[in-house]
Amino acid sequence: AQKVTQAQTEISVVEKEDVTLDCVYETRDTTYYLFWYKQPPSGELVFLIRRNSFDEQNEISGRYSWNFQKSTSSFNFTITASQVVDSAVYFCALGLMDSSYKLIFGSGTRLLVRP
Amino acid sequence: NAGVTQTPKFQVLKTGQSMTLQCAQDMNHEYMSWYRQDPGMGLRLIHYSVGAGITDQGEVPNGYNVSRSTTEDFPLRLLSAAPSQTSVYFCASSYSGQINSPLHFGNGTRLTVT
Repeated sequence: AQKVTQAQTEISVVEKEDVTLDCVYETRDTTYYLFWYKQPPSGELVFLIRRNSFDEQNEISGRYSWNFQKSTSSFNFTITASQVVDSAVYFCALGLMDSSYKLIFGSGTRLLVRP
Repeated sequence: NAGVTQTPKFQVLKTGQSMTLQCAQDMNHEYMSWYRQDPGMGLRLIHYSVGAGITDQGEVPNGYNVSRSTTEDFPLRLLSAAPSQTSVYFCASSYSGQINSPLHFGNGTRLTVT
């Protein structure tokens, strides 16, 4: 079965704190993609990153970083020095190569960054 | 640069009413899809299309119909709305149906069925 679990329903931090959002996935496929999307209060979905299963290198983009570990089936997302504008719901998703672009989403983590 | 356009943004229906959620993209994308977002459940795929004249079911297709008569448009039809269809609906498109092609989402339609 294919599944994405985001165990943290809500996280609240104070501005400038670092925060890590967890994502654990399940699939028997050897080739797949993992995604992170941000949904700010305005409601749109903003693409953050796509990573394929053959690339386990960690990625850093400004204050954002991603840690992909196949050994633990995890694709965690860290925001360094959080800001109020980071407040949003963040979704992790699994995409499978043998299907026609079917993304399997986690239930999302709501992040609140307090000033 | 319109991207993916969804209309309406908000809609309230009574049980049993029908309506069509509109989705249009101006990027000449072959692949289009509909997701619904429910609290605590993330997004789930309803229907998708890999090109004009071709549609297929996703994870939660019951109660919804789609058609793809043109590349640009992919409407989602509710023939007899039910309260269980209260949700936020997102349309998405990509250049191809391949998983490595970026998926572009519309801004969503919030539907309430009373």
